[in-house]
Amino acid sequence: AQSVTQLGSHVSVSEGALVLLRCNYSSSVPPYLFWYVQYPNQGLQLLLKYTTGATLVKGINGFEAEFKKSETSFHLTKPSAHMSDAAEYFCAVRRDSNYQLIWGAGTKLIIKP
Amino acid sequence: EAGVTQFPSHSVIEKGQTVTLRCDPISGHDNLYWYRRVMGKEIKFLLHFVKESKQDESGMPNNRFLAERTGGTYSTLKVQPAELEDSGVYFCASSQFSEQYFGPGTRLTVT
Repeated sequence: AQSVTQLGSHVSVSEGALVLLRCNYSSSVPPYLFWYVQYPNQGLQLLLKYTTGATLVKGINGFEAEFKKSETSFHLTKPSAHMSDAAEYFCAVRRDSNYQLIWGAGTKLIIKP
Repeated sequence: EAGVTQFPSHSVIEKGQTVTLRCDPISGHDNLYWYRRVMGKEIKFLLHFVKESKQDESGMPNNRFLAERTGGTYSTLKVQPAELEDSGVYFCASSQFSEQYFGPGTRLTVT
């Protein structure tokens, strides 16, 4: 069975510092990979996705993620954190043969002034 | 273009009562999904409609949950009778291709 692991339920960074949110997945076949964000009192919004092709994927709000098949990872990064990035971030995987998303437990990103 | 909408945004009911959640997908999206997040846990898949047909309901926890999508438009998720462990946030999503668009969720509290 597929699973997604997000390291750290809470990550705290200073404003202007690098953001790194980790995601590892288990899959026997190449998956589709997603990062979603949930801002306070809002729904889930797609940040970026990897389906095929280039392994470095750029998303909204300056975020990007790199698919590394050898490490089964899809870590999310942003060079410089803003206060507005404070939210909960979810990594998810989807098999080509099945539309359902398998989710990580989520990571709350805290930005310190 | 209107996004996915869900109603109500928040529902508080007593154990044993019935609650019906509604989801209106983006117009033209054949695929509709329900997910649930119990507090402190990961989001879990409940079921997937393609138009009005249930494509995959492997995530439905038990027969107290009933989902419908009449006419292939909006969907309802009924919980009857509700139990304490049903509390959580219920998300609906719709898609035409690979990207799923999510609604704001319904927070269900069973007391």
